[in-house]
Amino acid sequence: GESVGLHLPTLSVQEGDNSIINCAYSNSASDYFIWYKQESGKGPQFIIDIRSNMDKRQGQRVTVLLNKTVKHLSLQIAATQPGDSAVYFCAENLTAGNKLTFGGGTRVLVKP
Amino acid sequence: DSGVTQTPKHLITATGQRVTLRCSPRSGDLSVYWYQQSLDQGLQFLIQYYNGEERAKGNILERFSAQQFPDLHSELNLSSLELGDSALYFCASSVAPAEGEAFFGQGTRLTVV
Repeated sequence: GESVGLHLPTLSVQEGDNSIINCAYSNSASDYFIWYKQESGKGPQFIIDIRSNMDKRQGQRVTVLLNKTVKHLSLQIAATQPGDSAVYFCAENLTAGNKLTFGGGTRVLVKP
Repeated sequence: DSGVTQTPKHLITATGQRVTLRCSPRSGDLSVYWYQQSLDQGLQFLIQYYNGEERAKGNILERFSAQQFPDLHSELNLSSLELGDSALYFCASSVAPAEGEAFFGQGTRLTVV
């Protein structure tokens, strides 16, 4: 698909291992963060979000960690599966600014 | 299926031409966002509308314009097209202008030749 043509950092993971994807955000005033997954030929798909008053949030097989001190966000995927192969984007939102600003993305390749 | 519909899926046009991309948001969503995804710049926010009014503007060129109609569908107009405008254009929608997740459409692949 078109999106995988991006020149992105790539994380290769063995199936069944845990994945950690990191993201540095730019605006210290951002108060809402989202992780999106983009599969080949598709639009970004919501995975999990977190507000700035939290430092950790868990979903199904995914955990997002937020470190506001160093403006860092991470996405942990437990027991990575072939279907997790995609490009992952973090996005930050300054609620008053009404727009999502996306990071550059990380490509995850799951090896069988 | 996100519920956001974008048409056309693919568009090939010549430099200097004008095109219109269309987006139908999810039922009930009042806010529409447009993003450009190109090889070297990732996802770039262009513009947002909420209930028919422009709400936020990003790095949108003057050659580009958008609007949201009373039925909440939105159109992105790209004029005087250049080769560098070739990209994926995504529309997303959400219930409120700055809350919760935005649901993305499948995108329109624009190729300018």
